[in-house]
This record gives sequence, C-alpha cells and structure tokens, in this order.
Amino acid sequence: EDQVTQSPEALRLQEGESSSLNCSYTVSGLRGLFWYRQDPGKGPEFLFTLYSAGEEKEKERLKATLTKKESFLHITAPKPEDSATYLCAVQALVGTGGFKTIFGAGTRLFVKA
Amino acid sequence: DSGVTQTPKHLITATGQRVTLRCSPRSGDLSVYWYQQSLDQGLQFLIQYYNGEERAKGNILERFSAQQFPDLHSELNLSSLELGDSALYFCASSVPRAGGISTDTQYFGPGTRLTVL
Repeated sequence: EDQVTQSPEALRLQEGESSSLNCSYTVSGLRGLFWYRQDPGKGPEFLFTLYSAGEEKEKERLKATLTKKESFLHITAPKPEDSATYLCAVQALVGTGGFKTIFGAGTRLFVKA
Repeated sequence: DSGVTQTPKHLITATGQRVTLRCSPRSGDLSVYWYQQSLDQGLQFLIQYYNGEERAKGNILERFSAQQFPDLHSELNLSSLELGDSALYFCASSVPRAGGISTDTQYFGPGTRLTVL
C-alpha cells in the first residue's frame, strides 16, 4: 500500500538550532516527491520537487534531499518565521496521464526566538 | 499568492444540504486537483481533472462530484452533507507538460472552510 510517514510529528527548536525533518515513503512508480509548507488555515505553499535518488534542492535556509526510501528537509539556522507545518507528498502515475498524490501527516515546526 | 482562487472562503450549512465549491486555476494550467483536509485525516486527494476530463480519482465519496468547465474553472459538489464532511477543501492546479500530460508540481489555492451543523 502506498504510504508516506513523516517524523517527528512536532519539533521545537531554538532560533539558530539546525535540524532535519524526515519523510519515508513506499509507493509504486514514484514520479516525484514534494515538500510544502503550510501555515494554519492557509493552503500549502510549494517548496521543492525531487525526482530521483541523490537529488538535492535548496532555498534560503531549507535544503531537501532524496534517497530511494526517504527524503530529508534540512533547516539551517531557523528563524521564528520558519514556524509552520511541513508536508511531504509523493506522486505516482495512475491510468492514462492521471496523478495520485499521497500526503504525509506533516511535521509541525516551532522555532522560538 | 499562488494564483489559484477559490470561492467561497467560508461556508456554513446544515446536514443534508448540498453545496458547490468553485476553483479557478492559475493562468495556463490545465489540471485541477481537489483535496479535503480535516484535523484527523490530513490532506486527502479527491479527484483530478485535465482539460475538462477526469484523470484520477482518490478517496472521493459517491455523494461528492466534480467537473471542469471549458474555461478550465472547476466545481466540487458536495451533497447530503454530514457532520463529518466539515473540513478545509483545497483546489490545486499544475502546469501542462509537452505532450499534454500535467507535470507534478501542484500550486494550492487558499481553500474553502466548510462547516456542517
């Protein structure tokens, strides 16, 4: 069964304290893995797409990496404004040109000043 | 701002009623996806349309239906509403790739919060 598991469920950091969020997945025919940031009551905001093992992408204080079984979102020297829920999702092709996207439950990040 | 718009922002209705949620994708995007997000379920994929045609189905109930119109906007119809249907409903759109198959990256709208009393 296709599944995405994110850990930890919640993470509390001091400002400047670097850490990593984990996303482990099982899916048939992976087309891509995505990271989104979601603030309370808002729509998910796109961060990264990763397509193949070994790929890395960076944006400001965030860096996403991908292996065959999991992905990491590294946060370097976080600031309070990085506080949000970070969602991981995997996508597989279904039927003729359709995409099935499975989201993890998310990691709630709290960064204290 | 992702460029995806959804209306209404909030909707309060009673059990047994029917509602329609509307989504306008980003300019140029041909694919529209619908998701439900409730506190205990996380973000659940409901259905995908591409240029007016249904392309993929997820955990969409039979009481729910969707369509995409020629101008590419989409509507999600929810009928015989139950208390458990209360949730945030998101629409997302994605960029078409050469060959007519949408790419993966989805851009989400701000959502419609549905409350069923």
